[in-house]
Amino acid sequence: AQRVTQPEKLLSVFKGAPVELKCNYSYSGSPELFWYVQYSRQRLQLLLRHISRESIKGFTADLNKGETSFHLKKPFAQEEDSAMYYCALSGRNAGNMLTFGGGTRLMVKP
Amino acid sequence: ETGVTQSPTHLIKTRGQQVTLRCSSQSGHNTVSWYQQALGQGPQFIFQYYREEENGRGNFPPRFSGLQFPNYSSELNVNALELDDSALYLCASSPLPGNYGYTFGSGTRLTVV
Repeated sequence: AQRVTQPEKLLSVFKGAPVELKCNYSYSGSPELFWYVQYSRQRLQLLLRHISRESIKGFTADLNKGETSFHLKKPFAQEEDSAMYYCALSGRNAGNMLTFGGGTRLMVKP
Repeated sequence: ETGVTQSPTHLIKTRGQQVTLRCSSQSGHNTVSWYQQALGQGPQFIFQYYREEENGRGNFPPRFSGLQFPNYSSELNVNALELDDSALYLCASSPLPGNYGYTFGSGTRLTVV
């Protein structure tokens, strides 16, 4: 069975500091990995997906199949990055459903 | 209309009752998924519909059922409500099943008393 683990419930950093939100997964096969973000009073929205290899709002994430990780990184955090971040996994073996981690709340202090 | 809309936004029901939650998917999106999000947890997959047929189901009992209609709307029905069913229910749509990313609605907050 697939599983997504986000070990940190809360991550607090100062503005301008680097950020790394951890995500580890278990899955038999080739997964598709996503990061979703939920800003205060807004709906859950897709931030990025590994297949696109893109950088959104300065965030990047690299799929490491050896370590089964998909950590989200940003070199310089901004106050507007404060939000709830969810890592999610999908794949053919999973019936194409999204499996979410428990989420990490990122707080960026001024 | 673009985006995913859900109704109602809030709902209070009594244990044992039945509830229907509604979702209007983004135009052109043939896939709709429903998720349950308990307080402090990530969303949990309930089931997915593609072209009006269920094509995936999570670890939820049969009293959770759904329908998808040709006009991109869908329903989540829950029978014999239990206190643990209290949660935020999210609807998400996608143009196809799988790895395209999903557009989420704002959710329906269900409270069972």
